Formats: sequence, C-alpha cells, structure tokens
Amino acid sequence: NAGVMQNPRHLVRRRGQEARLRCSPMKGHSHVYWYRQLPEEGLKFMVYLQKENIIDESGMPKERFSAEFPKEGPSILRIQQVVRGDSAAYFCASSQRENGGYTFGSGTRLTVV
Amino acid sequence: GESVGLHLPTLSVQEGDNSIINCAYSNSASDYFIWYKQESGKGPQFIIDIRSNMDKRQGQRVTVLLNKTVKHLSLQIAATQPGDSAVYFCAENLSIIFGKGTRLHILP
Repeated sequence: NAGVMQNPRHLVRRRGQEARLRCSPMKGHSHVYWYRQLPEEGLKFMVYLQKENIIDESGMPKERFSAEFPKEGPSILRIQQVVRGDSAAYFCASSQRENGGYTFGSGTRLTVV
Repeated sequence: GESVGLHLPTLSVQEGDNSIINCAYSNSASDYFIWYKQESGKGPQFIIDIRSNMDKRQGQRVTVLLNKTVKHLSLQIAATQPGDSAVYFCAENLSIIFGKGTRLHILP
C-alpha cells in the first residue's frame, strides 16, 4: 500500500515558466492538502481539496497559483510564470476523511533560476 | 495555534537525556492529535497519536501527554539519540493549519 506519492522530487524552472507538481494520495484517501515550506520555517497551508472540489483555498496566492483534484488522476498544484520567491518545498498530505489524520508525501523541491 | 512563517524554535538536548517538546492546539473540539517528525530534506512522518478520551499514550521511547483543559500536548522522548534530530510538530484533526514546530538539536 503505497503512501502519498509526489513527483517530481526536484523541479528546476526558469523565471516565467510554469511548474506542475503532482500528488497521488494514499489509496482510499479522498482529501488532499497542499503545504509550502521555506527553509527553517513551518508548513504553510495553501489549499484543501476533495475529489473535483476545492474546499478551502484561503492559503493560496490570488494570482499564478491554482490547484485541482480531478475525478481521475493525481492532484495538481500549478504555478504559472514562476518567480524566484516561489522556490520552496511543496508538500502534499492526504486523509481518509475530513478532519482525519494526515499522511504526507516526500515533497517536491522547486527551484526557480 | 502557533503562527507559521516564522523561524523555528530550537530545543537543544544532551544525548541520552530526555526531551520534552510542547505544542498548543487551537480547536477545543478537536478529538484526535498526531505528532510528526520531519527530518531534514524529508516529508513529515507519523510518530504517535492520541485521542481525546486519553491523557497519556506511550510508544517506543516516546510518550504523548494531552491536557484538554489548556489545549496542550507534549511529546516526551526518552534517552534522546542523534537520530532524533528533526523538527517536531503536532496536528489536530479539526485544523488543517499546523504550528511551526520545534527543532530538536542533539548535543554530543
């Protein structure tokens, strides 16, 4: 039973390009959460999704960032026109139900050059 | 709960001593709590959990204490080892916001 799978593990993008981060939740989990982490800082909540629905996106920047969790396939965090300040580790977590325990992926480390 | 985006507090402990890491949670209705360990360059990993009908739960070398009156959790690590070096944070089931955590630094 694979855990939460995130890919790619490392992603390098030039300023202005698009970054797509993927997250496949644990089998049986239908709730997905995305977090961003800068070095020496805690996990900052970005967005909470359930299949085909965005439940809470209060932590998402208003521009350039979007997230989806389609009926089939992984959840995608998309960052358009990346800037150097987007460089961070992005973690995905999943849970079986709302307000359940969270299982985390290994993260995607985005570097914008 | 604690605010995120600020630098992590650090707890320095001598190898072999016991460590106590504290956490304040935000929602008094939360009834399930988890402690996570995040090593450098890795994702958070589950350590131990506790439900609100308990005030103490023990694992291998770790103990979690829950004080619902003051919305406080603590993680005790016995005989701290170099491999315990990591950031530790708690999560509650009724909040998707996590505190910034505590970095545990082991002194030789």
